[in-house]
Amino acid sequence: AQKVTQAQTEISVVEKEDVTLDCVYETRDTTYYLFWYKQPPSGELVFLIRRNSFDEQNEISGRYSWNFQKSTSSFNFTITASQVVDSAVYFCALSEVNAGGTSYGKLTFGQGTILTVHP
Amino acid sequence: KAGVTQTPRYLIKTRGQQVTLSCSPISGHRSVSWYQQTPGQGLQFLFEYFSETQRNKGNFPGRFSGRQFSNSRSEMNVSTLELGDSALYLCASSPGTGTGNTIYFGEGSWLTVV
Repeated sequence: AQKVTQAQTEISVVEKEDVTLDCVYETRDTTYYLFWYKQPPSGELVFLIRRNSFDEQNEISGRYSWNFQKSTSSFNFTITASQVVDSAVYFCALSEVNAGGTSYGKLTFGQGTILTVHP
Repeated sequence: KAGVTQTPRYLIKTRGQQVTLSCSPISGHRSVSWYQQTPGQGLQFLFEYFSETQRNKGNFPGRFSGRQFSNSRSEMNVSTLELGDSALYLCASSPGTGTGNTIYFGEGSWLTVV
C-alpha cells in the first residue's frame, strides 16, 4: 500500500524567511509520480509540480524549489523568501501508475502542512 | 482553457436525504476522479471514471456512487446521508491516457449534513 507522510502539521514563519515542507513516501512501485498541491481557504487544490520516479533532478520555479531524493523516499518543497500570499495548506501526494506508465486519477495524499506566513 | 468546474459549491442536506454533485472536467480530459476531504480523515479517494467506466475505487460504502457521461462530465451521488458525510468533495480531471498525467482539481462542493 502507498503512504505519504507530512510530519509537519503546522509551520509559522515571518515574511521573507525560507521554509521547507517535508514529504516522505512509501510505495512498492518502481514507477510512480509525486505531486505538490496548495490549498487556499477557498478549497481548490492548486497544482504546483509533478515529478516522476525516474527524474531526480531538483526543480526551481521562481521562489519554489523541490528536492527529490529516491534513496530516502523524500520529496521536499522549499519556499524562498516567503510571502503572506503563500499562507495555505500544502499537500504532497503519490500517484499509482499502470504498466504502461499512465497515471490513474488515484492520488494518496499526506495529511497536509498548514503554512502561516506573518507580515 | 476552462478549469474543472463543480456544482453546487455549497449545499446543506438533512440526514437521510440523498445528494448529487456534478463535475465538468477540463476540455479533452477523459478521466474524472472524486475525493472526500474531512478534518479527521484528510483527503481520501472515492473513485475514478474513464470513458464512462469506473476504473478505480476507494474504500467507501456503497452509498457513494458515481457515473460518467459520454461528454466526460461526471456526477457523484451519496444516498442516505449521515452526519459524517459532511465534507468538501473535490473533483479532479486528467487526460487519463499516456504518461505523466497531471491531475487538476476543481474548487469543490462543500456539503453539510444536519
